[in-house]
Amino acid sequence: ETGVTQTPRHLVMGMTNKKSLKCEQHLGHNAMYWYKQSAKKPLELMFVYNFKEQTENNSVPSRFSPECPNSSHLFLHLHTLQPEDSALYLCASLPGGGEGTEAFFGQGTRLTVV
Amino acid sequence: AQSVTQLDSQVPVFEEAPVELRCNYSSSVSVYLFWYVQYPNQGLQLLLKYLSGSTLVKGINGFEAEFNKSQTSFHLRKPSVHISDTAEYFCAVSPLSGNTPLVFGKGTRLSVIA
Repeated sequence: ETGVTQTPRHLVMGMTNKKSLKCEQHLGHNAMYWYKQSAKKPLELMFVYNFKEQTENNSVPSRFSPECPNSSHLFLHLHTLQPEDSALYLCASLPGGGEGTEAFFGQGTRLTVV
Repeated sequence: AQSVTQLDSQVPVFEEAPVELRCNYSSSVSVYLFWYVQYPNQGLQLLLKYLSGSTLVKGINGFEAEFNKSQTSFHLRKPSVHISDTAEYFCAVSPLSGNTPLVFGKGTRLSVIA
């Protein structure tokens, strides 16, 4: 148990659906990230939020839309996804600033787009 | 920018044998170094980290790693592995300055054979 909770753990959605992934931490951290983990590829950083402000967007397609209403919650809204978007989506949080400190990861949401 | 190379995508090893998982990094600035482990259907869990001081770092589950600045390496070792060590292992770096997220290697799949 890392203190970072992701829901749902598994999600199957059609290409025309709209769904959201949720990440929650009560560690008092101020930075939260979304990563995408696909088979045989490195972890891909998608979005970074520091103190609720988005500070990084790594050229992620607009069909992925993040939301960070407060420092404890992070969402990833999904719409009109493609089969290649099927992956494990990991949320991570860090203490404010993130320098020299490790990331705490949730267990991930296994997304399958059909 | 930083990059991490994990040369071995898969490492099979017999139970109770020693193992070394290799990690090399590239960076124009000094970095912090991390090893994470991912068990099936789980998120990433920190094994150990190097911030400063002694170059030999001990982590959980009997793992240790040695930072070698001249060779820009941070190899992970365990003198005697168990079946339960079967997992994916990720090396990651983060620069000392700035607010840059972790950069991960592609991972090494450790398979312990009974």
